[in-house]
Amino acid sequence: ETGVTQSPTHLIKTRGQQVTLRCSSQSGHNTVSWYQQALGQGPQFIFQYYREEENGRGNFPPRFSGLQFPNYSSELNVNALELDDSALYLCASSRGQDTYEQYFGPGTRLTVT
Amino acid sequence: AQSVTQLGSHVSVSEGALVLLRCNYSSSVPPYLFWYVQYPNQGLQLLLKYTSAATLVKGINGFEAEFKKSETSFHLTKPSAHMSDAAEYFCAVITNNAGNMLTFGGGTRLMVKP
Repeated sequence: ETGVTQSPTHLIKTRGQQVTLRCSSQSGHNTVSWYQQALGQGPQFIFQYYREEENGRGNFPPRFSGLQFPNYSSELNVNALELDDSALYLCASSRGQDTYEQYFGPGTRLTVT
Repeated sequence: AQSVTQLGSHVSVSEGALVLLRCNYSSSVPPYLFWYVQYPNQGLQLLLKYTSAATLVKGINGFEAEFKKSETSFHLTKPSAHMSDAAEYFCAVITNNAGNMLTFGGGTRLMVKP
C-alpha cells in the first residue's frame, strides 16, 4: 500500500509569486486535508477536499485555494505569497468523510524570500 | 469550538526513565483524540488514537495514553524512554461537529539523555 506522497520536497519563492504544491493520497483514500505548520508550531488546518469538493476550510484567506482530481490527488495553490507563508505544508489523506484517522505525507517546505 | 493545550514545550528525560507528555483538550461534544510524532524534517506519524472505545489506548513503539473525561486530559506515557523516542509530539482533537478538521496543540519536544 502506497502512503501519502508530496511534491516538491523543498521550494523557494519570492514574495508576490504564486506556488502550487501537490499531494497523492494513500491508496483507497478519497479525502485530502491540507495543513500549514509554521516553525515551532503545531499544524493548522487549511482546508479539506472530499470527492473533488471543498469540505471545510480553516481561517486562511482566499489566496489559499485547492483542487482535488478524480484520482483523489490534490493541489494547494497560494497566490501573492507573503513572507509569513514560509512553512511546512502537510497533506493528509483519510478514507471517507466520517473516518477521523488521517495519514500524513512528508510535507513540502516552502520558503518565501 | 475545540482546542488542545500541551503543557511543556520541552521535556527532557534520561534513557530508561518514564515519559509523560501532557495534553488537555476543550470540546463541547465528545472528542476523538490523537497523538502524532514528528521526527526532524519529516511528516506526522500516528502514534495512537482514542475514538470512544477503551479509555486506555495502546499505540506503537510502546506508547499509551489514557482518556480522562473528568480531567479533560489525554496524557501520553511510555514506561522506559529510548534514545530513538527523541522527537516532537503533537496532541490533536477532532469532534463530529467540526468535520475532519484536526486541531493540534503546540507540540512538545522530547529530549532523551543517555
